Amino acid sequence: EAQVTQNPRYLITVTGKKLTVTCSQNMNHEYMSWYRQDPGLGLRQIYYSMNVEVTDKGDVPEGYKVSRKEKRNFPLILESPSPNQTSLYFCASKINRVATEAFFGQGTRLTVV
Amino acid sequence: AQSVSQHNHHVILSEAASLELGCNYSYGGTVNLFWYVQYPGQHLQLLLKYFSGDPLVKGIKGFEAEFIKSKFSFNLRKPSVQWSDTAEYFCAVLMDTGRRALTFGSGTRLQVQP
Repeated sequence: EAQVTQNPRYLITVTGKKLTVTCSQNMNHEYMSWYRQDPGLGLRQIYYSMNVEVTDKGDVPEGYKVSRKEKRNFPLILESPSPNQTSLYFCASKINRVATEAFFGQGTRLTVV
Repeated sequence: AQSVSQHNHHVILSEAASLELGCNYSYGGTVNLFWYVQYPGQHLQLLLKYFSGDPLVKGIKGFEAEFIKSKFSFNLRKPSVQWSDTAEYFCAVLMDTGRRALTFGSGTRLQVQP
């Protein structure tokens, strides 16, 4: 089954404790991205990757890092989480940069206390 | 900057009522338009999309949307809502800019009362 898988689904952590949210897709997609969803703001892109070893900032990249060492994986790294990063995070992928349809993961609800 | 506006933040309807959710975008170039639905606790699911051609597009679960280029709008409609339509609805626009990222509206929470 074609899918985008995120882990964990729920995470509560403390300020400053490094964490990684994993994202994996099995569709051989080139383009992957991370969004955060906050009430009243919709989804905003954090980082995106057009292919292996090619990543770039989205609209709200501050406080986040990403890596793309393999095509299928696109982890989101919070080196020193803060409470304002409490949010619902979605990973998405699509075939390539010009493709129009994106596939979303199930979401990761992160709480930073 | 390009943006997507959803003016209805919270809509409450009774079952069988008609639904129209507004979506406007600000971008003068070529766009692809989408409506996504997010049921409580779930991920985004594509309801319908517009790429080109007939500006009236039909999606799943009886939803449809009309692209009016002159008004930069892509409103979502359903003639008769059901309790199971309770969800959050997001309009999204893909613009022909460099990174080709979806730009989302802020969402509309629809509550259908039985």
